[in-house]
Amino acid sequence: EDKVVQSPLSLVVHEGDTVTLNCSYEVTNFRSLLWYKQEKKAPTFLFMLTSSGIEKKSGRLSSILDKKELFSILNITATQTGDSAVYLCAVEAAYGQNFVFGPGTRLSVLP
Amino acid sequence: SAVISQKPSRDICQRGTSLTIQCQVDSQVTMMFWYRQQPGQSLTLIATANQGSEATYESGFVIDKFPISRPNLTFSTLTVSNMSPEDSSIYLCSVFLREYRETQYFGPGTRLLVL
Repeated sequence: EDKVVQSPLSLVVHEGDTVTLNCSYEVTNFRSLLWYKQEKKAPTFLFMLTSSGIEKKSGRLSSILDKKELFSILNITATQTGDSAVYLCAVEAAYGQNFVFGPGTRLSVLP
Repeated sequence: SAVISQKPSRDICQRGTSLTIQCQVDSQVTMMFWYRQQPGQSLTLIATANQGSEATYESGFVIDKFPISRPNLTFSTLTVSNMSPEDSSIYLCSVFLREYRETQYFGPGTRLLVL
């Protein structure tokens, strides 16, 4: 059975800290891994990763995929209170079908 | 980028009734995706809506309960049929831009409460 596991499930840090969120997966016919930020209702797409070892960056956020060890990490440096959200990891098993979502990591950044 | 709108944004419905949610995209896209997020849980993909063909449903979701229409490349509807309180969720439509595969956009969501 395909599954995605995220850790930690919740995390509390102070502004300025650096955090690393983990996502591991077991899925047949892996196509891509996606990270989202969900603050209220609709998630915001962050990254799509398809190749191992290639870091994707967007401002203070970066992510990398290890297809051999079947995991990805999402790093956030110099955290701000606006980074407080649930971060979702999802794996796409085949193009356009069969997305499996992890439970999310709830990040709280305190001033 | 893609702009996605959903209607209604929220609704309160009675058990046994049906609700149709509309999703409009400002770009032509091959596939549109419908997700559900039940209270306190992560997103679950319901189905993929392909223009001109039957929708593809994920395990645990069936066409009789969640019929989908996809009449053109910019529009789709999801109907939640014969609703029960367990259907209370946020329903989201989503697309990948056709030309730029690596970006996924979500609609604002429809918050449904079934009494």
